[in-house]
Amino acid sequence: DQQVKQNSPSLSVQEGRISILNCDYTNSMFDYFLWYKKYPAEGPTFLISISSIKDKNEDGRFTVFLNKSAKHLSLHIVPSQPGDSAVYFCAARFDGNNRLAFGKGNQVVVIP
Amino acid sequence: NAGVTQTPKFQVLKTGQSMTLQCAQDMNHNSMYWYRQDPGMGLRLIYYSASEGTTDKGEVPNGYNVSRLNKREFSLRLESAAPSQTSVYFCASSPRDYSYEQYFGPGTRLTVT
Repeated sequence: DQQVKQNSPSLSVQEGRISILNCDYTNSMFDYFLWYKKYPAEGPTFLISISSIKDKNEDGRFTVFLNKSAKHLSLHIVPSQPGDSAVYFCAARFDGNNRLAFGKGNQVVVIP
Repeated sequence: NAGVTQTPKFQVLKTGQSMTLQCAQDMNHNSMYWYRQDPGMGLRLIYYSASEGTTDKGEVPNGYNVSRLNKREFSLRLESAAPSQTSVYFCASSPRDYSYEQYFGPGTRLTVT
């Protein structure tokens, strides 16, 4: 059973507007949540993370929000740029060996 | 500093053939991981090595074996390839202690016919 779920597999957004990606999880023992970005024919690259004891983390144009009671997190990209067009994976850490559970990914297309 | 490197980039196998996917990292990381990515399935952990000399099964280990040759290298072996193992394989590494971020290689695209 998938522990990290990303619905709405694709998102199209105009350049300059906000992109919002959502992620739900089932395991309350996750202690860190991460977002990875992946371009075609490349490996995923780390984008931003949030500890389970926080509700918001911001890094430039990227902000991640965590709602523990709802077991939900979201990634906001403001403003969206064409270079943000990629697949975004939500991931959660579930043990001290840094094992991560990944969602299926969301394709984001930013239209110039 | 090359980060995580994987060889080969592409491979085509016939059913029943064997091969080894190579992975190396030059970041002095303790932990290394093998994932597979299939369309609509995200990344699934095959095996991981928390530290040199240890390996453990992940979510989808059947049909694979691994070797942590030294701190730098972690190889994935398919003894008898099957079409269901057609996938993109990613190796990753992590500093482990007090760190949760994993650094990924560029991937190996494997097709089994």
